[in-house]
Amino acid sequence: GQNIDQPTEMTATEGAIVQINCTYQTSGFNGLFWYQQHAGEAPTFLSYNVLDGLEEKGRFSSFLSRSKGYSYLLLKELQMKDSASYLCAVPRTGFQKLVFGTGTRLLVSP
Amino acid sequence: DVKVTQSSRYLVKRTGEKVFLECVQDMDHENMFWYRQDPGLGLRLIYFSYDVKMKEKGDIPEGYSVSREKKERFSLILESASTNQTSMYLCASSNPDRLLNQPQHFGDGTRLSIL
Repeated sequence: GQNIDQPTEMTATEGAIVQINCTYQTSGFNGLFWYQQHAGEAPTFLSYNVLDGLEEKGRFSSFLSRSKGYSYLLLKELQMKDSASYLCAVPRTGFQKLVFGTGTRLLVSP
Repeated sequence: DVKVTQSSRYLVKRTGEKVFLECVQDMDHENMFWYRQDPGLGLRLIYFSYDVKMKEKGDIPEGYSVSREKKERFSLILESASTNQTSMYLCASSNPDRLLNQPQHFGDGTRLSIL
């Protein structure tokens, strides 16, 4: 089966850098997704990592280590609008379905 | 841009009622999903459909059924609503890809309250 762990909540200051960690156990690895979800809104896709290493997309980067079962989402130059929940997800065996972590709620303060 | 539309943002129903939640996607996606999201529990899969008239149970199908008569529409049915089905319901769609996973695209959700 699959299991995902993320911190429940994090706080950071505007302009700072924050790293949101995700550890997973899965019987067959097919990549890892990060989603952002603002309160009361739909989750939106941020990134997908299938190979080890860091992938950068503007202020957001995502890192994957398959051997360690570990990923992180790095947010730079934090803005107030980055206050949201960040969900880590891995595909199940059978490929099409995802298992989601419970999400990390990030609060950015001035 | 992919658009996934859920018929209602907020819904209030009574215990025992039959409740229909509708979801429509406009990108010809084959896969569609229904989740519920509860504090501390995250997103949990209720049902999954990979084609018209095809469905699979997810992790928590009890008390729910689904219907996929057309490719773009996936309906979630609460046969006899109960208070423990009060939740945020999210619909999603994606395209299957055997080489690389495709992201799921979500609707805005329906906040359902059962009184």
